[in-house]
Amino acid sequence: EVQLVESGGALVQPGGSLRLSCEASGITFNKYWMSWVRQAPGKGLEWVANINEDGSGKYYADPVKGRFTISRDNAKNSLYVQMNSLRAEDTAVYYCAAAGTTYWGQGTLVTVSS
Amino acid sequence: EIVMTQTPLSLSVTPGQPASISCKSSQSLLYSDGKTYLHWHLQKPGQSPQLLIYEVSNRFSGVPDRFSGSGSGTDFTLTISRVEAEDVGVYYCMQNIHLPWTFGQGTKVEIQ
Repeated sequence: EVQLVESGGALVQPGGSLRLSCEASGITFNKYWMSWVRQAPGKGLEWVANINEDGSGKYYADPVKGRFTISRDNAKNSLYVQMNSLRAEDTAVYYCAAAGTTYWGQGTLVTVSS
Repeated sequence: EIVMTQTPLSLSVTPGQPASISCKSSQSLLYSDGKTYLHWHLQKPGQSPQLLIYEVSNRFSGVPDRFSGSGSGTDFTLTISRVEAEDVGVYYCMQNIHLPWTFGQGTKVEIQ
């Protein structure tokens, strides 16, 4: 059974930083692209970032470009996103997804507020 | 950016009756490899999204055969042949042929 478990969500002040993690099991992690997708409260789904199998290719949505950094550690079957200069509009549940959007985690809530 | 437009945005269905959701993309989702990168997800209340249909018409593992997808190019449809109570939630179409990946606004399905 594939499991993706996110962690690291928290309440953070505007301008602050946060690092989210996603640990995968049940898949051959190093064979899949990984993604972060977010969902603001009461809103739809928004793609945030992708990373290819070996971490050499990283792609970002315009709203987060220059502030978020996606990374992975294939030895630990883990995906990360470092989020800097956080804004109120970054408030959302952040999901990690594997193999495109075949598999999803349960999400972790990031709240940016003073 | 490819814009995905779903209609209707909400649907109230009697159990056992069919339902369909339309999704239109602003550009063709047919790639040079012959595949069309249009997928359907369902987000049940309080849950994370789950993949239902990939590449227009392929049911993901464990998805009941009352769900089917059709379409080509820029026009796509998700059909539920006989809606059941467990089908409530928000349905999203999504494209990943071009960055940024984009989702439709979502269609909320309720049971009458």
